[in-house]
Amino acid sequence: NAGVTQTPKFQVLKTGQSMTLQCAQDMNHNSMYWYRQDPGMGLRLIYYSASEGTTDKGEVPNGYNVSRLNKREFSLRLESAAPSQTSVYFCASSEDGTGSFQLRHTFGSGTRLTVV
Amino acid sequence: SQELEQSPQSLIVQEGKNLTINCTSSKTLYGLYWYKQKYGEGLIFLMMLQKGGEEKSHEKITAKLDEKKQQSSLHITASQPSHAGIYLCGADKNTDKLIFGTGTRLQVFP
Repeated sequence: NAGVTQTPKFQVLKTGQSMTLQCAQDMNHNSMYWYRQDPGMGLRLIYYSASEGTTDKGEVPNGYNVSRLNKREFSLRLESAAPSQTSVYFCASSEDGTGSFQLRHTFGSGTRLTVV
Repeated sequence: SQELEQSPQSLIVQEGKNLTINCTSSKTLYGLYWYKQKYGEGLIFLMMLQKGGEEKSHEKITAKLDEKKQQSSLHITASQPSHAGIYLCGADKNTDKLIFGTGTRLQVFP
């Protein structure tokens, strides 16, 4: 009954530090996504992976890298954190990339990241 | 995203009042998803609409998609404090990903 699990829930970084946000899903979904949520901006897609072994840039990919380690896991890495990356990050998964209901996202509970 | 406009940005209503949130696209939608986010938590799926004129209800929440499939509304009847949160619409524009609106923050006071 876990769904999508994200770690950590909170993180404070100094400018220039690196970190990896972890995400795992247990629903056998093919597609996984990383979003950031900022006030007044809604959810913006950073990167997504339509299937194991593939990754694609979303709307705001600069400053981030991703790895689809296997079907279950999709990690987001900040190589050199900047204050502009202060945000709430959400991982999500969906059954597939096309078709009715197949884009229905299941979200993790989020990671609140502050870069000082 | 500017491709999907949500209104209003925020809403404060008294408990028991009805309210409507709108989500508008300049292009035809292949699917429209509504989510609710409680403060500090993840997003929970509410409903998905796909056909023009479609309407779905769950408890006191009703969502509609217009005939042109460019606008959706979310209506809450007799609002309760448990309805408070951020409501987001997500659009399927026949690509392999969703585009989300900017969200509507709802507060319900006694």
